[in-house]
Amino acid sequence: QKEVEQNSGPLSVPEGAIASLNCTYSDRGSQSFFWYRQYSGKSPELIMFIYSNGDKEDGRFTAQLNKASQYVSLLIRDSQPSDSATYLCAVNAPDGQNFVFGPGTRLSVLP
Amino acid sequence: KAGVTQTPRYLIKTRGQQVTLSCSPISGHRSVSWYQQTPGQGLQFLFEYFSETQRNKGNFPGRFSGRQFSNSRSEMNVSTLELGDSALYLCASSSGQGAPDTQYFGPGTRLTVL
Repeated sequence: QKEVEQNSGPLSVPEGAIASLNCTYSDRGSQSFFWYRQYSGKSPELIMFIYSNGDKEDGRFTAQLNKASQYVSLLIRDSQPSDSATYLCAVNAPDGQNFVFGPGTRLSVLP
Repeated sequence: KAGVTQTPRYLIKTRGQQVTLSCSPISGHRSVSWYQQTPGQGLQFLFEYFSETQRNKGNFPGRFSGRQFSNSRSEMNVSTLELGDSALYLCASSSGQGAPDTQYFGPGTRLTVL
């Protein structure tokens, strides 16, 4: 059974702080990892993906992957109230044919 | 490129009825996946179609079915609706090949069963 786990939150951070969102996965053979943002009542939108160990930066967002620990995280620098949303971690199975989503972490950025 | 489109956006049905939802993927994408999202259960995978064939299936009863056409458009059908089927139904399209195979979501269809 492939599983992806996230803290449900809510995670509250003050405006301008760094928000750290974490995700663990059970299938050691997983290859690709995705972060989606979902505003209330809207559909998920892709923030970024990562598939190599280490860090990947895109603007204010940094994804970190540690395959040995089966752990992926998303850092949001200079958090803004507009970043308040639910963040979904998704894992692509080794065969590339199956996505598994975590339950999401609700982030609240306080002005 | 146009994004993923879903129709209708909102639907109200009564118990026992059936419903058909439609999804048009991004041009060139051959994979369409369907998800059910409820406040309590999060995003639950229903099934995935690739080149008109169901390639993966989640753990949902047989009342939930789907199909994909030669132009990659997909439909999902739910028969004998139950109150618990009220949810946001999302489809996501991807190329269906290679890695990473990124999924892009449509706006969703919000189904309410009375």
